[in-house]
Amino acid sequence: GAVVSQHPSRVICKSGTSVKIECRSLDFQATTMFWYRQFPKQSLMLMATSNEGSKATYEQGVEKDKFLINHASLTLSTLTVTSAHPEDSSFYICSASGGGAFQETQYFGPGTRLLVL
Amino acid sequence: KQEVTQIPAALSVPEGENLVLNCSFTDSAIYNLQWFRQDPGKGLTSLLLIQSSQREQTSGRLNASLDKSSGRSTLYIAASQPGDSATYLCAVRQGGSEKLVFGKGTKLTVNP
Repeated sequence: GAVVSQHPSRVICKSGTSVKIECRSLDFQATTMFWYRQFPKQSLMLMATSNEGSKATYEQGVEKDKFLINHASLTLSTLTVTSAHPEDSSFYICSASGGGAFQETQYFGPGTRLLVL
Repeated sequence: KQEVTQIPAALSVPEGENLVLNCSFTDSAIYNLQWFRQDPGKGLTSLLLIQSSQREQTSGRLNASLDKSSGRSTLYIAASQPGDSATYLCAVRQGGSEKLVFGKGTKLTVNP
């Protein structure tokens, strides 16, 4: 149990375009989802936390207008990188937690590698 | 602000060796501490989770200890194997928060 998927696993886009990344909890209801980014040889940095049906809470320094997060259902959250630039190239990882047995930790997706040319 | 430090940043050992990875954190008011494994270009796999009231957790060849008062945790890997090669991340969850704060990880290479 507690499987989280991400799509796509890898995306290459041109500078100035927008990219949407999906995060799904496959076998549990995710009341909270988290979005991280990870630069090479660096740790995971939390970008934002989203609760189903409400606006996301962004960490300091993360532009909410650039990284749009939608958590419309208990199994799906999306991250849209708007007007992507090469410096947005990174590894984006989502995680999810839920109620009951799924509240003690976060369950991580496999990540999405974004390359902006 | 919680800060998590992992030492060493990289470690290379011969197969069969026992080894210890270290994690330290600055704020002892944690809810739990977790060790993850990350393979190159992949997501995170949870290895062990230690609640703040616990001293250690074991799973197979892995043993994680927690000394909350001193802000330290160790991950002990017995009889290391080449398949253990990966980056190991330590993360703490603060009391009253769902957020995880990660260390930068220790990149482990086990040579056959």
